[in-house]
Amino acid sequence: KNQVEQSPQSLIILEGKNCTLQCNYTVSPFSNLRWYKQDTGRGPVSLTIMTFSENTKSNGRYTATLDADTKQSSLHITASQLSDSASYICVVETTGANNLFFGTGTRLTVIP
Amino acid sequence: EAQVTQNPRYLITVTGKKLTVTCSQNMNHEYMSWYRQDPGLGLRQIYYSMNVEVTDKGDVPEGYKVSRKEKRNFPLILESPSPNQTSLYFCASGWASYEQYFGPGTRLTVT
Repeated sequence: KNQVEQSPQSLIILEGKNCTLQCNYTVSPFSNLRWYKQDTGRGPVSLTIMTFSENTKSNGRYTATLDADTKQSSLHITASQLSDSASYICVVETTGANNLFFGTGTRLTVIP
Repeated sequence: EAQVTQNPRYLITVTGKKLTVTCSQNMNHEYMSWYRQDPGLGLRQIYYSMNVEVTDKGDVPEGYKVSRKEKRNFPLILESPSPNQTSLYFCASGWASYEQYFGPGTRLTVT
């Protein structure tokens, strides 16, 4: 069964600290994996997109990694800021048309 | 400004009263999609469209209709809304399904 699981469900960290969010998937055949940031009450915004051949991709303080062999991805946030407080959603797409599998997200809260 | 717009942003309605949520994009994207988001369930795809006059069901299409008569517009129609369709709805567009830009969301309450 195609599934995307994210952990932890929620996380609270102090401003300035680093954190890592996890995404494990059983989706096959794999096409690409995306991380989105969703502020409360707003639409998700893309952070990174990775295909099979990419194992690291950065977007400012956000760095995503992908291990296609173990079907795991992580999103590392460096030097967290209060504005990083949001939900982070992992999405995996299979090959073919529009086969998207969404994780339920990790709710990150950064406190001063 | 490149954007996806949805209207209305908030809607409270009663069971059975037909409603339409509009979605429009100004980026000339071929791909458009509708999602609903519920606590603990994440985003679930309702319908998507690969191009004008081409639409297909997502994971949870029951109770919804869509149309794609023009490239920029992709309205979501609830012919007879029910309380279980109370949710936060997002429209998205992109050049392909992997590069989607999301709208601001429509919060629908059906009583």
